[in-house]
Amino acid sequence: EPEVTQTPSHQVTQMGQEVILRCVPISNHLYFYWYRQILGQKVEFLVSFYNNEISEKSEIFDDQFSVERPDGSNFTLKIRSTKLEDSAMYFCASSESETENTGELFFGEGSRLTVL
Amino acid sequence: EDQVTQSPEALRLQEGESSSLNCSYTVSGLRGLFWYRQDPGKGPEFLFTLYSAGEEKEKERLKATLTKKESFLHITAPKPEDSATYLCAVQTWMDSSYKLIFGSGTRLLVRP
Repeated sequence: EPEVTQTPSHQVTQMGQEVILRCVPISNHLYFYWYRQILGQKVEFLVSFYNNEISEKSEIFDDQFSVERPDGSNFTLKIRSTKLEDSAMYFCASSESETENTGELFFGEGSRLTVL
Repeated sequence: EDQVTQSPEALRLQEGESSSLNCSYTVSGLRGLFWYRQDPGKGPEFLFTLYSAGEEKEKERLKATLTKKESFLHITAPKPEDSATYLCAVQTWMDSSYKLIFGSGTRLLVRP
């Protein structure tokens, strides 16, 4: 069964360092997303990406964050200068379509980021 | 403001004891309501999407229903392997993509 894969599964970094989280979406999917979940809290939307550009972003997704699809398979989330409050599980997700009612959103297993 | 509220926060059942989880929502215009299962340290696993009031979907021991104000996830004769956190999320017509608004989840524990 096709799946969304994420690397690394866990990253520990020092405050102020740059972090790149990587995702390989399902191959025929066209829409890509990042969500995050701070420990014990709700899953929160960060950003959606389609046709090589951001289609929507939340208030959380400030100038410290950026996304990129550097090649035909990878989708990355970069945090330029990490803060303690960036510690969370980051989930990549992908979907085949945006508007069709049969659309499903598939999540990866997550990358746990710990900022010290 | 769009909101999703799930209840109860936690539920303990004996194996075989059927029950229901509730997801109530207040949104500007519901485009779809999603149910996911999440195991500890894992990503949400898609279960169902419901689009209109009166719609029902089933998968094994799970059945999801939708009204104009809430959704229920019915679990019939649960087994210990059904233990997980069940997440409800909504997608609204105000948003152009899969920007899902999640509830806090219901932690289900099924004891043998």
